[in-house]
Amino acid sequence: TQLLEQSPQFLSIQEGENLTVYCNSSSVFSSLQWYRQEPGEGPVLLVTVVTGGEVKKLKRLTFQFGDARKDSSLHITAAQPGDTGLYLCAAPGGSSNTGKLIFGQGTTLQVKP
Amino acid sequence: DTAVSQTPKYLVTQMGNDKSIKCEQNLGHDTMYWYKQDSKKFLKIMFSYNNKELIINETVPNRFSPKSPDKAHLNLHINSLELGDSAVYFCASSQDRTRNQPQHFGDGTRLSIL
Repeated sequence: TQLLEQSPQFLSIQEGENLTVYCNSSSVFSSLQWYRQEPGEGPVLLVTVVTGGEVKKLKRLTFQFGDARKDSSLHITAAQPGDTGLYLCAAPGGSSNTGKLIFGQGTTLQVKP
Repeated sequence: DTAVSQTPKYLVTQMGNDKSIKCEQNLGHDTMYWYKQDSKKFLKIMFSYNNKELIINETVPNRFSPKSPDKAHLNLHINSLELGDSAVYFCASSQDRTRNQPQHFGDGTRLSIL
């Protein structure tokens, strides 16, 4: 069974602090996506990483795909209250092109002003 | 314009009732999905359709029946609602079913069973 484990599950920090969220698996994935979900809304895609060792930056967010394509991290520099939300990692599930995504259990981030 | 829209946003009903949730996407995508998000925020796929054809049925009880009248619409009908069906149901779409496609989600339907 393919599983994605995220850590930590909850994170409450002050504005201006840095943080890292991890997404780990024992399975190898062809790609990995990160989504952010705000209360009352659906998840919104932040980034897709496809190459082992790949690093992508989105303003203050830095995403890394592990060399072995089994894990990923999301680092936020100088967090702001607007970064508050649920962060979800997701990867293709199953053995064929079905569009199926499996999701981690999420990391709830609260950034206090 | 909303890309993926679901109705209703809230659904409160009694155990044993039958209810439907509707979803429409105006992105011209070929593939649509239904996900269930439980109280712990865990998001799990239920069904996917590609051009009106069922592609994924993830061991969901027979009480759940999806229907896709055309590739822009995917509805979910639930019979004999149970307490455990309380959750947020999300509709999503993607350009096609190849890997790495971004999925676009609606804002969810919050189903509460009394």
